[in-house]
Amino acid sequence: QLVLTQSPSASASLGASVKLTCTLSSGHTNYAIAWHQQQPEKGPRFLMKLNSDGSHNKGVEIPDRFSGSSSGAERYLTISSLQSEDEADYYCQTWSTGIVIFGGGTKLTVL
Amino acid sequence: QVQLVQSGAEVKKPGASVKVSCKASGYTFTSYYMHWVRQAPGQGLEWMGIINPSGGSSTYAQNFQGRVTMTRDTSTGTVYLEMSRLRSEDTAVYYCARDSAQGGTWGSVGYWGQGTLVTVSS
Repeated sequence: QLVLTQSPSASASLGASVKLTCTLSSGHTNYAIAWHQQQPEKGPRFLMKLNSDGSHNKGVEIPDRFSGSSSGAERYLTISSLQSEDEADYYCQTWSTGIVIFGGGTKLTVL
Repeated sequence: QVQLVQSGAEVKKPGASVKVSCKASGYTFTSYYMHWVRQAPGQGLEWMGIINPSGGSSTYAQNFQGRVTMTRDTSTGTVYLEMSRLRSEDTAVYYCARDSAQGGTWGSVGYWGQGTLVTVSS
């Protein structure tokens, strides 16, 4: 069964970097994913599509501070030089034939 | 630029139906699949299904089969989500979201609409 697992919460200090993780279920470790950001009281925003080899394609006007990488079943979103507006929920998303799956989301707190 | 503009908030009674619209602009409407995703209050994102605006075919998530219908109007560049037999648990924000892949494939959501709040209450 295709499942994405995310930690419910993460925190990091203003100006620091943070690495969020999305884990693909066994048997699906070569899947691409997408990362989406949802700031408080707003709709989601597409950040990037991330392939299993770590290559990624970012959305329109997504700052260079956001980057993606991959290792095995893990897909990462790294945010550097954290700003207050980065405090948000981050969701990973993947897909297979006839289905789309979202992870449970990680709530990022900027201290 | 790509824009997805959804219809306004709705309040419905249990058992009723609702139809939400999503008008697309800034790209060739028939070249990209459109997803529907919902988010209950305080909860995560839940995929409902997808429509091919070119041919009109749809694929629905198992949880919504039999209760949801996705349609499109190519003359106006609008997709629709209709949900029947509403219950209180369907109270959520409903989003249309355009796929990022052009042509006959789909997968990654690339653009989101602003969302439509549907409240189901007696």
